[in-house]
Amino acid sequence: GDSVTQMEGPVTLSEEAFLTINCTYTATGYPSLFWYVQYPGEGLQLLLKATKADDKGSNKGFEATYRKETTSFHLEKGSVQVSDSAVYFCASRGTYKYIFGTGTRLKVLA
Amino acid sequence: GAVVSQHPSWVICKSGTSVKIECRSLDFQATTMFWYRQFPKQSLMLMATSNEGSKATYEQGVEKDKFLINHASLTLSTLTVTSAHPEDSSFYICSAGVGGYQGYTFGSGTRLTVV
Repeated sequence: GDSVTQMEGPVTLSEEAFLTINCTYTATGYPSLFWYVQYPGEGLQLLLKATKADDKGSNKGFEATYRKETTSFHLEKGSVQVSDSAVYFCASRGTYKYIFGTGTRLKVLA
Repeated sequence: GAVVSQHPSWVICKSGTSVKIECRSLDFQATTMFWYRQFPKQSLMLMATSNEGSKATYEQGVEKDKFLINHASLTLSTLTVTSAHPEDSSFYICSAGVGGYQGYTFGSGTRLTVV
């Protein structure tokens, strides 16, 4: 069945460091891909999305490109801030059902 | 943008009692809402799809008699955890949206603790 695999955390970075969180997927067909962010005690917020191959989603300095050839959707940010500390979930969606990765906790130190 | 409100944000109940969680779409009508469960430090698992005016569709392994879902209107779906046990303690999150290629909006979640 469909699945999403993302790198385990926690990831600890200093402020202004470069961030990469890896995400790969398996799917029958061509799903839409998403990154969601979850702050402590809160629900999920959509960070960015891409709906087809080679699409680049971007928001708040975060970027991810839908790579069909490598079935990947890695999340990147050039310079992280303390306020970026949260759990990040990669997800795929075929028709209506989301498949989530296990989440990666990011901690940014001042 | 689409806003989904979930209530309560946290609840503590005794074993054997039932707890109801509400999920409301505030500024749009949602014919379909989804209920997820998240265990500590784990990902979200889809429990069921709630359809307005009809029975919910449960994922494999989810007890429909234990997790009662009602979608009585286009803006409200409820999840009732019946005869709760400590192993039902979890973070429950609903989501709704207009469908298509847009991402669904998630509620803020409900942390249920059964003692």
